[in-house]
Amino acid sequence: DVKVTQSSRYLVKRTGEKVFLECVQDMDHENMFWYRQDPGLGLRLIYFSYDVKMKEKGDIPEGYSVSREKKERFSLILESASTNQTSMYLCASSFGSRAPRDEQFFGPGTRLTVL
Amino acid sequence: AQSVSQHNHHVILSEAASLELGCNYSYGGTVNLFWYVQYPGQHLQLLLKYFSGDPLVKGIKGFEAEFIKSKFSFNLRKPSVQWSDTAEYFCAAASSNTGKLIFGQGTTLQVKP
Repeated sequence: DVKVTQSSRYLVKRTGEKVFLECVQDMDHENMFWYRQDPGLGLRLIYFSYDVKMKEKGDIPEGYSVSREKKERFSLILESASTNQTSMYLCASSFGSRAPRDEQFFGPGTRLTVL
Repeated sequence: AQSVSQHNHHVILSEAASLELGCNYSYGGTVNLFWYVQYPGQHLQLLLKYFSGDPLVKGIKGFEAEFIKSKFSFNLRKPSVQWSDTAEYFCAAASSNTGKLIFGQGTTLQVKP
């Protein structure tokens, strides 16, 4: 079974702090994605990566950055956390590079609260 | 702009009732369509997907969806829901050019025993 793990289930940070959310997948997938999930808005894509050291902006990249130094790990960084970044963050991975038909496998999510 | 819209935000049904959740997409070219489900406390997981061929696709747990190109719709159906179907359901679409998924707003389904 594909396993996507995220470093924390719950996280509480203060405004202005730098926040790192880590995601690891164990199935040698090419693609990795970061979403945020908010009630009534569904999932919105923040950043994604089709390969190591490669990243592309999603639909809402402002205030976020990412790092992919190894194929299995994709990190989301909030340079200076703000209260409007309080949300559920979901990481996902899929097999084929840029393949639109591949199922995405999701992690359990990190619920981030910024005070 | 590409978008996916789910019409029902919160649906409440009794067990054995039939279910239909609406999903419309706006994409210019070939589109790949998905329904994902998130059971309480669990990961988001794939229910079913459509790429081409038979427009009626069957998924896990008795769910099916019909792709109607002329209506830009991909509605999810189940003839008889169970209490265990209580979950949030997301419709999603990806263009053939990229692997990016665009999700709808989600529909919360509550099934009363």
